[in-house]
Amino acid sequence: GDSVTQMEGPVTLSEEAFLTINCTYTATGYPSLFWYVQYPGEGLQLLLKATKADDKGSNKGFEATYRKETTSFHLEKGSVQVSDSAVYFCALTRTGYQKVTFGTGTKLQVIP
Amino acid sequence: EAGVTQSPTHLIKTRGQQATLRCSPISGHTSVYWYQQALGLGLQFLLWYDEGEERNRGNFPPRFSGRQFPNYSSELNVNALELEDSALYLCASSLAGGPKTQYFGPGTRLLVL
Repeated sequence: GDSVTQMEGPVTLSEEAFLTINCTYTATGYPSLFWYVQYPGEGLQLLLKATKADDKGSNKGFEATYRKETTSFHLEKGSVQVSDSAVYFCALTRTGYQKVTFGTGTKLQVIP
Repeated sequence: EAGVTQSPTHLIKTRGQQATLRCSPISGHTSVYWYQQALGLGLQFLLWYDEGEERNRGNFPPRFSGRQFPNYSSELNVNALELEDSALYLCASSLAGGPKTQYFGPGTRLLVL
């Protein structure tokens, strides 16, 4: 079945540091890939998405590139801020299947 | 444009009771999804409704049920509540057809005592 594997957290970074959160997936066919963010006490917000190989999703300084050859969708940001502290979920959906398969989430803590 | 809304924000019940959670999708969205986010278990798919019909359900017992109304809003019912049902319940909506991007509401936090 479909699965998403994320790096375990928590990840603690200083403000302005470079962020990478690794995500790899297993799915047949050509899934769409997503990153969602959950701020403390809130629901999920869509951060970015990519629907086909080599697509790059970007939003709020975050980027992720759909790499089919490595089945990966790593999240990056060049300079994190304290306000980026949240839990980040990598996810996929597959054509014909409406449910979203989520990774376990990676908690990011950015310290001043 | 209003996002997905859910009510109530918090709900406290005792074991054996029933809980009803509500969700209003984004205007124009016809598909509604329910997910459970329990501590230590991540996000688990519960149910998918589209055009008033249940289209798919996750690996949850039948005491988790719901419905979708003609205005595409949805209700999740959990009967015979158990302590382990304590979780954040998230509703999402999307346009019809698939796979479409799902947009999530803020969630209902259910506590079963």
